[in-house]
Amino acid sequence: AQKVTQAQTEISVVEKEDVTLDCVYETRDTTYYLFWYKQPPSGELVFLIRRNSFDEQNEISGRYSWNFQKSTSSFNFTITASQVVDSAVYFCARRDTGRRALTFGSGTRLQVQP
Amino acid sequence: SAVISQKPSRDICQRGTSLTIQCQVDSQVTMMFWYRQQPGQSLTLIATANQGSEATYESGFVIDKFPISRPNLTFSTLTVSNMSPEDSSIYLCSVGDGQFNEQFFGPGTRLTVL
Repeated sequence: AQKVTQAQTEISVVEKEDVTLDCVYETRDTTYYLFWYKQPPSGELVFLIRRNSFDEQNEISGRYSWNFQKSTSSFNFTITASQVVDSAVYFCARRDTGRRALTFGSGTRLQVQP
Repeated sequence: SAVISQKPSRDICQRGTSLTIQCQVDSQVTMMFWYRQQPGQSLTLIATANQGSEATYESGFVIDKFPISRPNLTFSTLTVSNMSPEDSSIYLCSVGDGQFNEQFFGPGTRLTVL
C-alpha cells in the first residue's frame, strides 16, 4: 500500500514558537491530491488545505503555510507564532485520481503550552 | 462546503448488540464514505457508500459486520453489528465535492462498547 508518513508522533512547543509538521507520501501516480486536516480535542475533522500534484507553489493562509516538494515527496505544514488554540492532532492525507477516498497518515499531536 | 450531520453523536452499547449510524448531507453528493478512527489512531476507510448499488468495502471490512445503506444522494447509514469492545471507535461519514477536490467530514459518532 502506498503510505502517508507523519514521523512526528507528538510535538510540544511554547506559545509564539513556530512549528513545522512533516508529511512524506508515497505514490505511483502522476496526478494526486494532498490534504491537511486538524482534529481538535472535540473530535471533528477540520479541512485545512488541498493541494494537487500540478501545483508546487507554496501556500500561506494567515499563520499557516504549506511547503510542497515533489522532488522529496513531502508536504510540510508550518504554523507561525503558535497559539494554544492550535493544540490538536493534525493529519496529512493523500488521494489518487483513481480512488475517491483518502489515505491518512498516522497524525501528529501538537501541544502548544501557554 | 457541504454540511454533514451524524446521529447519534455518541452512544454506549452492550456487547453483542448492533448500532445504526445515520449520515445526512445538505446537498446531493455522488459518493459517501465511512471511516473508522480507533482510539488514538488515524482514520481508516471502511467502505464507499454507492447510491443504487452495494457498498464497496476495504480489505478487512465485510458487509455482514458493517452493512451500509444509501437510499438516496443525501443520506447513508452504517450499522455496526454484533459489537465487541474492539469496535469502540469514532465513526465518520465523509463526502466529496463535485470533483472530489475537497473532502469534508461529519462530526463523527463516538461509540463505546462495554
